[in-house]
Amino acid sequence: QVQLQESGPGLVKPSETLSLTCTVSGESVTNDIHYWTWIRRPPGKGLEWIGHVSGNGASNYNPSLKSRVTISLDTSKNQFSLRLSSVTPADTAVYYCARGSLLYMFLDDWGQGALITVSS
Amino acid sequence: QSALTQPASVSGSPGQSIIISCTGTSSDIGGYEYVSWYQQHPGKAPKVLIYDVRYRPSGVSDRFSGSKSGSTASLTISGLQVEDEADYYCNSYRSDSTYVFGTGTKVTVL
Repeated sequence: QVQLQESGPGLVKPSETLSLTCTVSGESVTNDIHYWTWIRRPPGKGLEWIGHVSGNGASNYNPSLKSRVTISLDTSKNQFSLRLSSVTPADTAVYYCARGSLLYMFLDDWGQGALITVSS
Repeated sequence: QSALTQPASVSGSPGQSIIISCTGTSSDIGGYEYVSWYQQHPGKAPKVLIYDVRYRPSGVSDRFSGSKSGSTASLTISGLQVEDEADYYCNSYRSDSTYVFGTGTKVTVL
């Protein structure tokens, strides 16, 4: 059974870059039938799809965040990461990593989530 | 990227059936059979209930069912139970190879 765990700093200053890592156990991130996704939920708001990376390193991003987002794989550590630049308080959210199925197009396993607060 | 449109809240009594709608466009729901539905309880990660419009993953109760007509997808919860009180989100694949969530619906069991 695959498990995903987010890690990163809980507090980021405005204008800085938010960096989060998702450690995957039970499956290789280079598996070509899954893709690795970041989602967030701001306080009091709904879920927002941020983007994903496939096992070959190809990525797709939410157009509204595309200019600030990078999602990449670290195959040596079996991890994938999120970098979001020039953050503002509006980027405060619980950030989730999840595994998506390329066969059936849904997110079948999720991490527990990490609260990231943007504040000076 | 505009979110798919869901009602903010839906309520029902135990045992009743409720329907949550999710409206998109021809570039997402209307163009693909890739709609999924997620349930999220407070403080928990979302859990998939339905994928590819109408299919349930193993272990999901058959009280949950999905359908689609044109650019609107629907989730039906039959035999409403107290534990169904949660937030529900639809999600769709889009023509630009991205995904989009719905605005979310809070289900209250009266």
